[in-house]
Amino acid sequence: DTAVSQTPKYLVTQMGNDKSIKCEQNLGHDTMYWYKQDSKKFLKIMFSYNNKELIINETVPNRFSPKSPDKAHLNLHINSLELGDSAVYFCASSQEGVRTGELFFGEGSRLTVL
Amino acid sequence: LAKTTQPISMDSYEGQEVNITCSHNNIATNDYITWYQQFPSQGPRFIIQGYKTKVTNEVASLFIPADRKSSTLSLPRVSLSDTAVYYCLVAPGGGSTLGRLYFGRGTQLTVWP
Repeated sequence: DTAVSQTPKYLVTQMGNDKSIKCEQNLGHDTMYWYKQDSKKFLKIMFSYNNKELIINETVPNRFSPKSPDKAHLNLHINSLELGDSAVYFCASSQEGVRTGELFFGEGSRLTVL
Repeated sequence: LAKTTQPISMDSYEGQEVNITCSHNNIATNDYITWYQQFPSQGPRFIIQGYKTKVTNEVASLFIPADRKSSTLSLPRVSLSDTAVYYCLVAPGGGSTLGRLYFGRGTQLTVWP
């Protein structure tokens, strides 16, 4: 079983469209994250949710809206896509109180905006 | 939050030992030093973590001097499959990962035959 799974793995779309990426973890973790990785491999945190509550919003444009229906899921919706949104988006999870700094990442969702 | 500085890229040959050094001058007393490995088209994977001195596991060794302002990830006898991006980061201690974990750009290690 995949611990952290994201769908879709690839997404190609036009500027101005709206798209969503879904993430699910079956590890029983209480914290989930979205990271963005650009073409230069910079991996930057976007959001963090703990028990369905938003705890980190790293100055991400309002066009990005995370939603956590329960602590096993954290979806990312992006409105009015722009060229600069092209990147690989990684979902991750962790468990508070266990090994510090250990995140479990999904395989990534490569978004290409044309 | 303590940020890290590491080389952008390194090259090595199969069978050699590779040492990747990371600077974290502003590390806090409670911070742990953590390293991740990322293969192409995959998410980063936790490989090792330490607080001070030396930590060794089946994948790598981590050396941390007494002042903790830097750390060195050591990969013994690398193979082609060790080609990956390696990220060094500091994480707040106390079993908490609620802080912002700064991954930065990582070090692209390329192992040649």
